[in-house]
Amino acid sequence: AQKITQTQPGMFVQEKEAVTLDCTYDTSDQSYGLFWYKQPSSGEMIFLIYQGSYDEQNATEGRYSLNFQKARKSANLVISASQLGDSAMYFCAMREGLNTGNQFYFGTGTSLTVIP
Amino acid sequence: DTEVTQTPKHLVMGMTNKKSLKCEQHMGHRAMYWYKQKAKKPPELMFVYSYEKLSINESVPSRFSPECPNSSLLNLHLHALQPEDSALYLCASSQGAASRRTGANVLTFGAGSRLTVL
Repeated sequence: AQKITQTQPGMFVQEKEAVTLDCTYDTSDQSYGLFWYKQPSSGEMIFLIYQGSYDEQNATEGRYSLNFQKARKSANLVISASQLGDSAMYFCAMREGLNTGNQFYFGTGTSLTVIP
Repeated sequence: DTEVTQTPKHLVMGMTNKKSLKCEQHMGHRAMYWYKQKAKKPPELMFVYSYEKLSINESVPSRFSPECPNSSLLNLHLHALQPEDSALYLCASSQGAASRRTGANVLTFGAGSRLTVL
C-alpha cells in the first residue's frame, strides 16, 4: 500500500485565492511526522511546514497551514492568498516512528499553477 | 542560500566516464541522503548515511558508489552509467534520529545536481 497518497496531479488557482492540496497517509505507528515540500522548476526541494502526530494544533507557517485530521489520516496543505511564485510541484512526505532508519516517504506530488 | 551545498549543478558524462557528485552541510546534521529524481516524479531514496555509516542502500546498482568521508561531506561516485541514469540527484541531511524532544527532524535538501548521461 502507498504510504503517502496525493490524488491531485495538477491544480489551478487564481492569484490571491486560497487553495487546498490533498494528502492522505498510511501508517500503524503512533509517532510520525508529516511534511510538505515545494519544488519550483529550478529543482530545489524547499521545506514548507511540519506536523507531528502528537501535535494537537494544526501547524501554520505564514501563508501555509496544515489541516491535520488524524482519524482520517489526512494532512492537507492550505495556501492562502496565492501568489504567482507559488507555482511549483508540492510533495507531501511522512517519517514514521522515532528511530526507524531515517526513512522518509514521498507522495507523487501535485503540480500547482497560479493564474494571474 | 541553501544550507546543503551540491556540486556540480550540471554534469554531462559519457557512459565510460568516472565522475563524482559532492555534497556538504555544516548544520551538524548526522544523517545524510542521496535521492534520485526523474522529471515530474517524487524523489527516490538511494542511500542514507547515519553517523557516517551506511544505514540504507535501496538496492542501487553498483555503478553508483556512495562515500561519507566525514559528518559534513557526502560523495556519490559515478562509473559506467547508462542514459537512463540521467536525472536530478538531490542530497539532503537531517539531524538524525527524531524524538519527541528534538521534534521535526526536517529533511533539508540541496539544490541538486542535474546529470545527463550520453
